[in-house]
Amino acid sequence: DVKVTQSSRYLVKRTGEKVFLECVQDMDHENMFWYRQDPGLGLRLIYFSYDVKMKEKGDIPEGYSVSREKKERFSLILESASTNQTSMYLCASSINYGAGFGEQYFGPGTRLTVT
Amino acid sequence: AQSVSQHNHHVILSEAASLELGCNYSYGGTVNLFWYVQYPGQHLQLLLKYFSGDPLVKGIKGFEAEFIKSKFSFNLRKPSVQWSDTAEYFCAVKAYGSSNTGKLIFGQGTTLQVKP
Repeated sequence: DVKVTQSSRYLVKRTGEKVFLECVQDMDHENMFWYRQDPGLGLRLIYFSYDVKMKEKGDIPEGYSVSREKKERFSLILESASTNQTSMYLCASSINYGAGFGEQYFGPGTRLTVT
Repeated sequence: AQSVSQHNHHVILSEAASLELGCNYSYGGTVNLFWYVQYPGQHLQLLLKYFSGDPLVKGIKGFEAEFIKSKFSFNLRKPSVQWSDTAEYFCAVKAYGSSNTGKLIFGQGTTLQVKP
């Protein structure tokens, strides 16, 4: 079974802090994604990566950056956390070709609270 | 830009009632279609998917969905819901041709509450 793990289930940070959210997948997937999930807004894509060191902005990249130094790991960075970044953050991975193309596998999420 | 619309934001049903959740997308080309479910406190998991072939697809836990290309729709159905179906449901679309990445476009989600 595909496993996507995220470093923390719950995180509380202060305004202005630099925050790192880590995601690891064990299925050698090319694609990795970071979303935020807010009530009534569904899932909004922040950034995604289709290969090591490659990244593309999603729909709401402002205030975030990402890093992918190894294929299995994708990090989301909040350079200076703000209260409007309080949210649930979901990581996902998927293959980049073949019959399963498009199907994403999700981690358990990190609920981040910025005070 | 492509979009996915889920018409019902919050649905309340009694056990044994039938369920249909609407999903429409705006893209005229080839698509892969997905329904994901998120049970309370759990991670998003795949309920069912359509890639090609029979437009009526069956998923886990008795759910099914029908792809109607002419209506750009992929509605989710279940003949008789159970209390354990209480969850949030997301429709998602992979639009071929617009991008060669694995990006999905998600709907806003539908919260289903089943009363015992």
